[in-house]
Amino acid sequence: DTAVSQTPKYLVTQMGNDKSIKCEQNLGHDTMYWYKQDSKKFLKIMFSYNNKELIINETVPNRFSPKSPDKAHLNLHINSLELGDSAVYFCASRIGGAANTEAFFGQGTRLTVV
Amino acid sequence: AQSVSQHNHHVILSEAASLELGCNYSYGGTVNLFWYVQYPGQHLQLLLKYFSGDPLVKGIKGFEAEFIKSKFSFNLRKPSVQWSDTAEYFCAVNAPSSGSARQLTFGSGTQLTVLP
Repeated sequence: DTAVSQTPKYLVTQMGNDKSIKCEQNLGHDTMYWYKQDSKKFLKIMFSYNNKELIINETVPNRFSPKSPDKAHLNLHINSLELGDSAVYFCASRIGGAANTEAFFGQGTRLTVV
Repeated sequence: AQSVSQHNHHVILSEAASLELGCNYSYGGTVNLFWYVQYPGQHLQLLLKYFSGDPLVKGIKGFEAEFIKSKFSFNLRKPSVQWSDTAEYFCAVNAPSSGSARQLTFGSGTQLTVLP
């Protein structure tokens, strides 16, 4: 069973389009994250949701919006895509509120904006 | 806010060589430390973690790491690398960010290439 699953795995789209990436975890975790990994492999946290509440919102453009219909899902919606949005986006989850737990990552979504 | 530094950007070793990857963090309080590995084209997987107790922790695939609090370090080691260890390695720190929320912050990663 896949613990953290993301769809799609690959996404190629034109500038200006709006797209969504879906993430689901079946681990019963309370906290979910979105990370962006750039071409230099640097991982930057974008958002974190704990029990459907946004608790960390890094300085990402407001074109990016996380949406969590329930604690098992955290989708990432991106408006007006730009070339610089091209990256690999990873969803992750962990037991919320507990410091001594690791994060489990999805397979990643490689977004290419042309 | 905490930060994590991995000073080795790219390490190239021959098979059977010993490995040590450096990781330093900046937070002065209680931290939880992790090493993740990312094989080419794959997602991040946990290698090992430190929460408390014995500062020398052992992980999967023969990796180990030592937490040295006085040096704010958590270096990753392996006595004899294999070609299959070729991957990107990330150190991560779990420490308070805004308010009481804890954030998992990653270092910039170290690309390990093992030559057969």
